[in-house]
Amino acid sequence: AQKITQTQPGMFVQEKEAVTLDCTYDTSDPSYGLFWYKQPSSGEMIFLIYQGSYDQQNATEGRYSLNFQKARKSANLVISASQLGDSAMYFCAMREFSGGYQKVTFGTGTKLQVIP
Amino acid sequence: GAVVSQHPSWVICKSGTSVKIECRSLDFQATTMFWYRQFPKQSLMLMATSNEGSKATYEQGVEKDKFLINHASLTLSTLTVTSAHPEDSSFYICSASKLAGAPNEQFFGPGTRLTVL
Repeated sequence: AQKITQTQPGMFVQEKEAVTLDCTYDTSDPSYGLFWYKQPSSGEMIFLIYQGSYDQQNATEGRYSLNFQKARKSANLVISASQLGDSAMYFCAMREFSGGYQKVTFGTGTKLQVIP
Repeated sequence: GAVVSQHPSWVICKSGTSVKIECRSLDFQATTMFWYRQFPKQSLMLMATSNEGSKATYEQGVEKDKFLINHASLTLSTLTVTSAHPEDSSFYICSASKLAGAPNEQFFGPGTRLTVL
C-alpha cells in the first residue's frame, strides 16, 4: 500500500482563489508527522507546513493551512488567496520513526498552476 | 536560520567514473541526514538515512556499494556514486535534521543534478 497518496497530478486555480491539495497517508505508528513542501521549477524543496499526529489543532502558516483529519488519515493543504508565484509542484510527506531511525516518505506530488 | 548546501550543483561525468556529492549544514549540527533522488516529474525517493558516526540505513533496492554514504561529522554527509552509468543520471537532494526526534526540523539542500554520459 502507498504510504502517501496524492490523487491530483495537476490542478489549476484562478489567482486570488483558494485551492485544496489532497493528501492521504497510511501508517500504523501512533506518532508521526506530516509535511507539505513546495518545489518550484528550480528544484529546491521549500518547507511549507507541518502537522504532528498528536497536535490538536490544524497547523497554519500564513496563507497555508493543513486540514488534518486523523480518522480519515488525510492531511490536505489549503492555499488561500493564490498567487502566481504559487505555481509549483507540491509534495505531501510523512515522517515515521522506525527502529530508532527517522524515515520520510513523499507522495507523487501535485502540479499547481495559478492562472492570472 | 537553517541552511543546507550541496556541492556541486550540477555535474556531468563519463560513464564508469565516480562522483562525490557533498551535503553540509551550514549553521546547525545535523544528527541525521537524508539522501533522495528525484527523476524528472517524479517524486523524491528516499535512498538512505545517515546518522553521524554510524553506518547509513539504505532503503530497499538501493545498492550500498553503488551509493556510498559517509556522515563523518555533524555538518557533513557525502554521497558517492561509484562507477556511474547513464541510468544514475538524476537529481539528488539531501536534507538534514537538527535533532534526532525533532519532527519538523528537516531542511533541504538545493539539490545536485547528475548527468552521466
